[in-house]
Amino acid sequence: GDSVTQMEGPVTLSEEACLTINCTYTATGYPSLFWYVQYPGEGLQLLLKATKADDKGSNKGFEATYRKETTSFHLEKGSVQVSDSAVYFCARLNTGFQKLVFGTGTRLLVSP
Amino acid sequence: SQTIHQWPATLVQPVGSPLSLECTVEGTSNPNLYWYRQAAGRGLQLLFYSVGIGQISSEVPQNLSASRPQDRQFILSSKKLLLSDSGFYLCAWRSNRRSYEQYFGPGTRLTVT
Repeated sequence: GDSVTQMEGPVTLSEEACLTINCTYTATGYPSLFWYVQYPGEGLQLLLKATKADDKGSNKGFEATYRKETTSFHLEKGSVQVSDSAVYFCARLNTGFQKLVFGTGTRLLVSP
Repeated sequence: SQTIHQWPATLVQPVGSPLSLECTVEGTSNPNLYWYRQAAGRGLQLLFYSVGIGQISSEVPQNLSASRPQDRQFILSSKKLLLSDSGFYLCAWRSNRRSYEQYFGPGTRLTVT
């Protein structure tokens, strides 16, 4: 069935370090892919998305490229800030187009 | 612009008491609506979704129910809460047009004691 697998956290980085959070999805169809961010005590916010192979989503310095050949959608940022500390969720659209299937989330902790 | 509201923001209820959480969306019509639960330190679990008034799809059998009495109102209910119902409840909406991203409300933190 439809599923998304994310790397286990927490990911602990120093400010200005490079970030990669891995995400892979089951290759049923050609789903739209998303990254959401959840700051402490808040709901989820859409960070970026990609709707077809080789699309690159980007926002706030974060990027992710839709890789059909590896069924991956890894989140990257060249230089993280303390304010990026949050939980990041990867998601794919299910094959019925009605709902999103989320990964388990990866907590990012950035220290000054 | 569209906004989504949830209330209450926090709730502490005893085991066996009833529950009603409300979600409303403004600035759009005929949205898809979703209820999620997030247990402490865990991922998201989809509980219910609705594609129209009175249309509810249940994802996980449990002692919760959902209703959609109006186009932009989605209610999560329980007749008798369990300790395991504690968590962070999130409502989300999605346009019914070809745009698949969901937009989330601020959430309700429920503690069952």
